[in-house]
Amino acid sequence: DIQMTQSPSSLSASVGDRVTITCRASQGIRNYLSWYQQKPGKVPKLLIYAASTLQSGVPSRFSGSGSDTDFTLTISSLQPEDVATYYCQKYNSAPWTFGQGTRVEIK
Amino acid sequence: QVQLVQSGAEVKKPGASVKVSCKASGYVFTNFYMHWVRQAPGQGLEWMGIISPTDGTTTYAQKFQDRVTMTSDTSTGTVYMDLSSLRSEDTAVYYCARPFLGSGSFLHWGQGTLVTVSS
Repeated sequence: DIQMTQSPSSLSASVGDRVTITCRASQGIRNYLSWYQQKPGKVPKLLIYAASTLQSGVPSRFSGSGSDTDFTLTISSLQPEDVATYYCQKYNSAPWTFGQGTRVEIK
Repeated sequence: QVQLVQSGAEVKKPGASVKVSCKASGYVFTNFYMHWVRQAPGQGLEWMGIISPTDGTTTYAQKFQDRVTMTSDTSTGTVYMDLSSLRSEDTAVYYCARPFLGSGSFLHWGQGTLVTVSS
């Protein structure tokens, strides 16, 4: 099975900072990658699909890039409401594996 | 609008089974696969499997292959996830999740069902 590895596992940044989270697939998955945001006690929310397509209604400060094995989620200017855990997920074929998550906090 | 409404919280003893339901509405039930994802307390998201509501075809994560059964009832628009031989490590919130048209990404999620396994 293809493994999905996120880094870092957690980060702390100041409001307004640019934040970058990476996700690496152990084999190529083309652009079949999603990013989700999960706030404490809440259901995951789809942010980005097809590696770089912003889901409708998601603030434009979120962006995704990459293909094949290396992917990035960027928050261009961190806001207090962005405190959450972020997960990548592959969906090219079963299993639809998630990364282990990256917890984002405000410094 | 698309809604996925799951059954309520469960408390089970080790060795027992649990069956969680997910009732779909707001779209043509047979047009979309349904997935199950779980999340143990303080842990990440874990994909469990997928079911085709049309014909009941399933694919399970290897970890759950021997213990999970996913079924669908097209007459009620409901999918079910049955997990047997429960152990304490199965304590988690279980979600059903549906991709959106043209993508495998999970746009729609149920509210989650907490299953607690405790003696």
